[in-house]
Amino acid sequence: QLQLQESGPGLVKSSETLSLACTVSGGSIANNRDYWGWIRQPPGQGLEWIGNVYHSGSTYYNPSLMSRLTISVDPSNNQFSLKLTSVSAADTAVYYCARRMTVVVRGRRIDAFDIWGQGTMVTVSS
Amino acid sequence: DIQLTQSPAFLSASVGDRVTITCRASQDISSYLAWYQQKPGKAPKLLIYAASTLQSGVPSRFSGSGSGTEFTLTISSLQPEDFATYFCQQLNTYPYTFGQGTKLEIK
Repeated sequence: QLQLQESGPGLVKSSETLSLACTVSGGSIANNRDYWGWIRQPPGQGLEWIGNVYHSGSTYYNPSLMSRLTISVDPSNNQFSLKLTSVSAADTAVYYCARRMTVVVRGRRIDAFDIWGQGTMVTVSS
Repeated sequence: DIQLTQSPAFLSASVGDRVTITCRASQDISSYLAWYQQKPGKAPKLLIYAASTLQSGVPSRFSGSGSGTEFTLTISSLQPEDFATYFCQQLNTYPYTFGQGTKLEIK
C-alpha cells in the first residue's frame, strides 16, 4: 500500500534553510487525483498546514510561511520536497508529509489527508 | 483564515462511555471538515471526512455530524485504544486550518 517517508536533517541552525524530502512508495506521485502536503506540529502543540503540491508543480502555500517557503515535486523520483528559509526557534517542530486525497461525496469533491508519513523532528538551534 | 474552536480541550471519560467533541468554525465551511486521531509520538490518523463519512477501516463506534459552522465527533462506546488527542480540520478554504485539539483521557 501507499507509504510516505520524510527525510532530512534533524538539526538546523537559526537563520539557515530547512530542507526535507518526502518519498512516496507503493504508488505514483503523478496520479491525476491527489495533492501532496506538508503539515507541522511544534512540541506539545497543535497542527499547522504548511502547503500542498501537485505532480505538475502547482502549489498552495500557507500565507504565514509563503515568503520563506518553497515546495517542489520530483515525479521521476516519486518525491516532493520542502524548503523553509531563515528559520528560527519557532520553526522547531515535527514535520509530516501526507497525501491529500480527493473523493466525490454526495456530488461534491471532498479532500482530506488520508495517508501520513511517520514525521521527522526538526530542531532549530541558535 | 478560518478559525476552528474545539471543545472541550480536555475530556476525562471511562471505557464504555459515549463522548462528544465539538468543533466550531468561524465561518460557513459547508461539509468540508475532517477529524483525525493522534496518539503520542504518532502521525494523525484520518477518522472522518466530509463531516460524516467514515474512513475505511475506522470502527463504526466513531461518527461525525454537522455542517456549516458546527460539527461533532461522537464515540459511542469508548475503547481503551480510543484514548488519544482528536483534531478537526477544515478543507473548505486555503489556508487549511486545524482545531487546537481535544485530549481524551482515561478517568
